[in-house]
Amino acid sequence: EVVLTQSPGTLSLSPGERATLSCRASQSVTSNYLAWYRQKPGQGPRLLIYGASSRATGIPDRFSGSGSGTDFTLTISRLEPEDFAVYYCQQYGSSPLTFGGGTKVEIK
Amino acid sequence: QVQLQESGPGLVKPSQTLSLTCSVSGGSISSGGHYWSWIRQHPGKGLEWIGYIYYTGTTYYNPSLKSRLTISIDTSKNQFSLKLRSVTAADTAVYYCARAPFEAMVQGLVVAYFNSWGQGSLVTVSS
Repeated sequence: EVVLTQSPGTLSLSPGERATLSCRASQSVTSNYLAWYRQKPGQGPRLLIYGASSRATGIPDRFSGSGSGTDFTLTISRLEPEDFAVYYCQQYGSSPLTFGGGTKVEIK
Repeated sequence: QVQLQESGPGLVKPSQTLSLTCSVSGGSISSGGHYWSWIRQHPGKGLEWIGYIYYTGTTYYNPSLKSRLTISIDTSKNQFSLKLRSVTAADTAVYYCARAPFEAMVQGLVVAYFNSWGQGSLVTVSS
């Protein structure tokens, strides 16, 4: 099973600042099949990035994904109020599909 | 735009069967190209993939749950369902249904991310 470790656990930032979230895999992710999601309280997650770097439909360009192999990054260039939430990475290159433990982005 | 909605009992007794249904609107479940999925989230914790099903009935399950799990589909009602047998308190979670666009096959596994999610349904296992 591919274990995904997200860091930091919590990120305290102000609106307008840049956020950099990390996702590290215990083994190489097949074909960079890695996705990122944002989850707001009381809601289901929303897909932001798939294939490590492709933005999902309707996702603004302040969100970008990068990385390959075992190290992946989600960058939010300028935090908007709706971006203060929990972010999860997910690998879908091997069974079972697995998610990271999440990074909470909170208002400083 | 496709919408998914989970429904089912919020309380299940230990050793019984947890049953949930996902109703899909805004698109046909049998149009192909997507796998229909279940994912759960234990209280205050991360996400766990349960399994998914294609409109043909082909299923892929998380090996850790496979022995207790059945996912089925009813294309006439545009719904798919989850049954998890012999539940314990460890199965208490918010259960989400989701849609996964077919991406590729890797070593016999359909690989997919989830591009539409329901709101989630809290199921508590308790006597």
